[in-house]
Amino acid sequence: EIMLTQSPGTLSLSPGERATFSCRASQNIGNKYLAWYQQKPGQPPRLLIYDISTRATGISDRFSGSGSGTDFTLTISRLDPEDFAVYYCQQYGNSPRTFGQGTKVEIK
Amino acid sequence: EVQLLESGGGLIQPGGSLRLSCVGSGYTFSSYGMSWVRQAPGKGLEWISGIGAGGSDTYYADSVKGRFTISRDNSKNTLYLQMGGLRAEDTAIYYCTRDSGWLTSFWGQGTLVTVSS
Repeated sequence: EIMLTQSPGTLSLSPGERATFSCRASQNIGNKYLAWYQQKPGQPPRLLIYDISTRATGISDRFSGSGSGTDFTLTISRLDPEDFAVYYCQQYGNSPRTFGQGTKVEIK
Repeated sequence: EVQLLESGGGLIQPGGSLRLSCVGSGYTFSSYGMSWVRQAPGKGLEWISGIGAGGSDTYYADSVKGRFTISRDNSKNTLYLQMGGLRAEDTAIYYCTRDSGWLTSFWGQGTLVTVSS
């Protein structure tokens, strides 16, 4: 099973700032199958990025994904108030599909 | 508009059984694989089971293998999760998800399962 470790656990930032957080895999994913999800309180997760760097339909270009192998990054270029949420990475190229433990982006 | 509507959650005693259902609408249900993903209160996400579009291929996480069974009825646009031998650690919101390949591309609102005496 591939373990995904996200860091930091919590990110305290102000609207307009840039957010960058990491997802590290316990072994080389070996393919492009890494996704990012956003979850707000009381809501299900929403797909933001798939195949490492492809934005899902309707997702703002403020969101971008990058990385390869074992190290992946989600960047939000300028935080909107609606972006304060928890973000999860997931690998879906190996069974079982696994998620990171999440990074919470909170208002500073 | 794609919609996934889960039902069947509730309070169940340890060792009990429960069946969750998920009705899909707004798309061709039989063309997509489906999965169940759960989230314990205040915790992260755990993929627990998946099924191919035709229903013959099924997949399970070790945490539920042998206790849970995923199935689907494409004539009713419905996904099921039969849960048995329930434990306190199975307490969670259970999300039905639509897959694109193995990508979890769309989520339902979830149904809460509470295992407690």
